[in-house]
Amino acid sequence: GAVVSQHPSWVICKSGTSVKIECRSLDFQATTMFWYRQFPKQSLMLMATSNEGSKATYEQGVEKDKFLINHASLTLSTLTVTSAHPEDSSFYICSAPSPEGPSNQPQHFGDGTRLSIL
Amino acid sequence: QKEVEQNSGPLSVPEGAIASLNCTYSDRGSQSFFWYRQYSGKSPELIMFIYSNGDKEDGRFTAQLNKASQYVSLLIRDSQPSDSATYLCAVYPSGTYKYIFGTGTRLKVLA
Repeated sequence: GAVVSQHPSWVICKSGTSVKIECRSLDFQATTMFWYRQFPKQSLMLMATSNEGSKATYEQGVEKDKFLINHASLTLSTLTVTSAHPEDSSFYICSAPSPEGPSNQPQHFGDGTRLSIL
Repeated sequence: QKEVEQNSGPLSVPEGAIASLNCTYSDRGSQSFFWYRQYSGKSPELIMFIYSNGDKEDGRFTAQLNKASQYVSLLIRDSQPSDSATYLCAVYPSGTYKYIFGTGTRLKVLA
């Protein structure tokens, strides 16, 4: 089945540091990927849609200058949290839709990145 | 505002019983419905998806969709302690292929 790989799985860094998270589709091409954030005991909140070859689409309330998204190729999207602060500490998860069939196919999730800003 | 609602639980069921998880959605034009299981500290994993009214069975899991009443449910037969997790309902509203997630229902299966 479709596999999405996310790296790193855990990051601990000082306030003010920029952190890059990678999301790769391992055995299929993904022109679209999604980035989510999940705070403890809450559901997933969509941050942005990453589009290969064009700018990302951000959800309302998400700062595009703070959360930089680059969809560098058909198998790689990156999320950079710039000048991270403790309130950015969260679980960040990427996903990509199944490569086969119509657009209403399920999304497959990476393993997530737990970001802790000290 | 398009919404997906779930009872947060916890829903506690004894081992071997049927667990019934429910989800309602506000966008009547929604076409695609998904159930994910999420263990604590892990990312969601797909359990089932359903597009048409009625039941869809896969092993111990059955998804039920009623578009007229705008609800989708997940039944877990012969519940096991390993089924203890948070179950997330996700919907593609009409006109988009971006998920809207429910808040999730925490299921506890008691040994």
